[in-house]
Amino acid sequence: NAGVTQTPKFQVLKTGQSMTLQCAQDMNHNSMYWYRQDPGMGLRLIYYSASEGTTDKGEVPNGYNVSRLNKREFSLRLESAAPSQTSVYFCASSEAGNTYQPQHFGDGTRLSIL
Amino acid sequence: EDQVTQSPEALRLQEGESSSLNCSYTVSGLRGLFWYRQDPGKGPEFLFTLYSAGEEKEKERLKATLTKKESFLHITAPKPEDSATYLCAVQTYNFNKFYFGSGTKLNVKP
Repeated sequence: NAGVTQTPKFQVLKTGQSMTLQCAQDMNHNSMYWYRQDPGMGLRLIYYSASEGTTDKGEVPNGYNVSRLNKREFSLRLESAAPSQTSVYFCASSEAGNTYQPQHFGDGTRLSIL
Repeated sequence: EDQVTQSPEALRLQEGESSSLNCSYTVSGLRGLFWYRQDPGKGPEFLFTLYSAGEEKEKERLKATLTKKESFLHITAPKPEDSATYLCAVQTYNFNKFYFGSGTKLNVKP
């Protein structure tokens, strides 16, 4: 069972470069999420998609864009990377948002911006 | 403002030494509280969901409890393989919003 798959696992960028983080889930979940995890700050929600075709901002959306490509895939794009975006990025999915279902996480993308 | 606070930040135990981790929350309306385990270099792994005050869930050496203001993760006779960071998260009336604490890093020495 693959669960939630994130690519790439590691990436180093220069300030101003752009890149897209990919996420795919094979659990037929409706909702998908992007978080960043920084030391001492816990997981912070960047964007989420309650269902295919919808996206909404989370707690820290500035500097990011997302695309819900289909039910399986949810990508996160950094248009012009900044050192403050150095972090570990996690994608998660859950069943329909209006239920008490936990989120299932991928193993993260470790992103460094120089 | 919705907030989740975990304590302590780090905890070192000897194998077999029982203890508890705390997760306190202030949210506009609690729908569910979740406990996760996170190993280094990995994503959080789901452990428990608690829905209402007084509820308890158990899994091997772990037991999670919930009151109206906080949750505890009790670890009984821990083993070195229980070493990990434990995260709690709350889900509010906005079903798609989960608020995470910053975690407790547990180290169990043999």
